[in-house]
Parts: sequence; structure tokens; C-alpha cells
Amino acid sequence: GNSVTQMEGPVTLSEEAFLTINCTYTATGYPSLFWYVQYPGEGLQLLLKATKADDKGSNKGFEATYRKETTSFHLEKGSVQVSDSAVYFCALSGSARQLTFGSGTQLTVLP
Amino acid sequence: DTGVSQDPRHKITKRGQNVTFRCDPISEHNRLYWYRQTLGQGPEFLTYFQNEAQLEKSRLLSDRFSAERPKGSFSTLEIQRTEQGDSAMYLCASSLGDREGQPQHFGDGTRLSIL
Repeated sequence: GNSVTQMEGPVTLSEEAFLTINCTYTATGYPSLFWYVQYPGEGLQLLLKATKADDKGSNKGFEATYRKETTSFHLEKGSVQVSDSAVYFCALSGSARQLTFGSGTQLTVLP
Repeated sequence: DTGVSQDPRHKITKRGQNVTFRCDPISEHNRLYWYRQTLGQGPEFLTYFQNEAQLEKSRLLSDRFSAERPKGSFSTLEIQRTEQGDSAMYLCASSLGDREGQPQHFGDGTRLSIL
């Protein structure tokens, strides 16, 4: 079946540091890949997505590239802010369209 | 776009009681999904509807769980004879259509606590 493995947290960075959160997946066929973010006290929000190999999703300074050869979709941001502190979830959507999520990575950015 | 709405936000009940949650999806979204999220984990798929038809159910959805979407709009998730292990956040999401990569929009969830 489908599965998503995320880099374990928590991750603590200083403001303006570079962020990478690793995500790899196992799936049959050609899934779509997503990053969702959950800010404290709020619901899950779509951050970015990619639907085919070599696509790059981007939003709010975050980027992730769909790498089929390495089955990865790592999240990156060049300069994090305190407001980026949240839990980040990598997810895939297979042929049946329901999402399979990773376990989440807690990010804390210190001023 | 008023977003996905879930009610109640919190539910505390005694073991053995029945509970029902409601989800109102974004209007015109024909797909509706239920997920369960426990502390420190990502959401896990439970079931989904296309319009009023329930198309798939996860093995996580035991016989004590039932979901409906009678008119293809709002949905309810009922848990009968609740158990301690049912304590979790129950999330509802909706999406438009069946195209590959269509994002799901999530509500804020209903947190269930079993005493």
C-alpha cells in the first residue's frame, strides 16, 4: 500500500536559517504529492502540491520538487521566519484520491 | 468560500455512549472525506463520499462507525458504544471533482475525548 515517511522532529531553527524537511514515499502508479501545514490552534492548510515528476510546487517562499527517481518530495525554504512555526505534513494522493499522510514534523523558529 | 465547517469542536463523553459529528463541506464540492488524527500522528483516512454515495471505507472504520451524506451536502459520522481508543481528532475535508491533484480543504476538526 501507499506510505509516506517524514523526517522526524522536532526541528528548531533560528530566524533566517535554511529549512529542509525530508519526505519520501512508497506508492503504486503516479501519485500527486502535497505539503500541508498546521499552525497552532488551526486546521490543516494546503501549502503546496505537485502532480507529476519534476514538477515544483511553491508557495509563501516554500518549495518542493517531485523526484520520481528518488521517490522524494523534500520541503525547503531559504529563510524561515518565526511565523513559520507549525507542524508540516507530507501527503500523497493515489488513484482513489484519499490522502496518505506522514507523521508530521514540528518546526519551531526562534527569533 | 466559507470553508469546511465541523460541529462540535469538542466532545467529551463517557465510554459506551454514542456520539455524532457533523461536517458541512464547501458548497459545490462533491467529494467529502473523513479522517482521524491521534496525537503526534498524521491524519488517517476513514471514508469518503462522492455526492451521496459512500465509495470507500478504510479497515479502520469498524462496525461501530457509520457515516452518511444523505443529500450530497453535509455529512455525519456516528460512533456507537465509544471506547477509550476512539479518543482522537476527527477531521472532515472536501474537494471539487475527481481530477488528479485536486486539493482537499480541511475543517478544524472535532476533538473527541472518552472518559
